Amino acid sequence: EPEVTQTPSHQVTQMGQEVILRCVPISNHLYFYWYRQILGQKVEFLVSFYNNEISEKSEIFDDQFSVERPDGSNFTLKIRSTKLEDSAMYFCASSRRVTNTEAFFGQGTRLTVV
Amino acid sequence: DQQVKQNSPSLSVQEGRISILNCDYTNSMFDYFLWYKKYPAEGPTFLISISSIKDKNEDGRFTVFLNKSAKHLSLHIVPSQPGDSAVYFCAAREGRDDKIIFGKGTRLHILP
Repeated sequence: EPEVTQTPSHQVTQMGQEVILRCVPISNHLYFYWYRQILGQKVEFLVSFYNNEISEKSEIFDDQFSVERPDGSNFTLKIRSTKLEDSAMYFCASSRRVTNTEAFFGQGTRLTVV
Repeated sequence: DQQVKQNSPSLSVQEGRISILNCDYTNSMFDYFLWYKKYPAEGPTFLISISSIKDKNEDGRFTVFLNKSAKHLSLHIVPSQPGDSAVYFCAAREGRDDKIIFGKGTRLHILP
């Protein structure tokens, strides 16, 4: 069964450093998303991406965040200068958005900013 | 501002019985509702969805009921099995928005 894969599973970084979280969406999917879940809190939408551009983003997704689909298969989330409060589980998701609206999620990357 | 609310943080149900997970929402513009299941150290997994034009959708042991007038939906799992122990997220989408808005989740424990 096709699945969304994310790497790394756990990333530890120092405050102020740049991190790139990587995702390989399901191959025939057209819409891509990043969500995050801070420990003990709900899953929050960050950004959606379609046709090589951001289609929607939340207030959380400020200038420190960027997304890219560099090679037609990977979908990355970059945080330029990490803050302690960026520590969370980051989930990538993808969907076909043709006949259904469910998104399939990856297993997540746990980002720890120290 | 919680547009999707799951007021029960946890629920324990005997194996074989019915599990009922509840969800309330405030935004009348939501047109699609979804349930996700999440095991520890894994991403949310899509379970079942329902369009706002329907009041029931069934898939195997899982049934979702939607009461638009009450802005309430529920997920029924019958019969409950040990593998159903997980966190269940209610989620919703507004119109043509791309984002899915999640509730805080309900942790379901299936007791032997």
